[in-house]
Amino acid sequence: AQKITQTQPGMFVQEKEAVTLDCTYDTSDPSYGLFWYKQPSSGEMIFLIYQGSYDQQNATEGRYSLNFQKARKSANLVISASQLGDSAMYFCAMREGAAGGTSYGKLTFGQGTILTVHP
Amino acid sequence: KAGVTQTPRYLIKTRGQQVTLSCSPISGHRSVSWYQQTPGQGLQFLFEYFSETQRNKGNFPGRFSGRQFSNSRSEMNVSTLELGDSALYLCASSEGGPSSGANVLTFGAGSRLTVL
Repeated sequence: AQKITQTQPGMFVQEKEAVTLDCTYDTSDPSYGLFWYKQPSSGEMIFLIYQGSYDQQNATEGRYSLNFQKARKSANLVISASQLGDSAMYFCAMREGAAGGTSYGKLTFGQGTILTVHP
Repeated sequence: KAGVTQTPRYLIKTRGQQVTLSCSPISGHRSVSWYQQTPGQGLQFLFEYFSETQRNKGNFPGRFSGRQFSNSRSEMNVSTLELGDSALYLCASSEGGPSSGANVLTFGAGSRLTVL
């Protein structure tokens, strides 16, 4: 079974508008972390935002916020005030187990969503 | 501080050859992970090293191997290359120690391998 599902292969948004990229996950581990990364055409993965399973509040980092709905197992990324430079592939990823456990570097990624920002 | 450095950035090999890719993590990071990215399979975890020990391994054949040196630099090797090994190989480093934080992975720019 897919552990991370991103159902939107592609999304379009107008510059300066907000956009939501969907991510659902599946795990039986009570301790986990959810990440969003951006991958421009250059290939490098850029970390955007993190949400821990025990975090009480939704994570925010500048224009990025994470809409974390634990019961629904969803962790949608919201980008506010889109910019042309936001055009890229976006990946949702999960680490199962606590960050201080033995799975520091093992993330499971979704298939990604290509975001295109129109001027 | 300097980011994660991967070398070489691009390389072309032929079937049956072997290849070694190198990764220098961020200074102070002890964990190095490797991922394979292909259009068909997406991003898949290969293995992770921490303090010169392999901590986790993904579901890849034994042709894929890696190691980590005492300075945390890591190499991965693919022997007897197959056409399907053509991919972007990404290395990521993190602090890796027990922590209550996110232990965010910082990725390098990748090594793009083409197998002919």
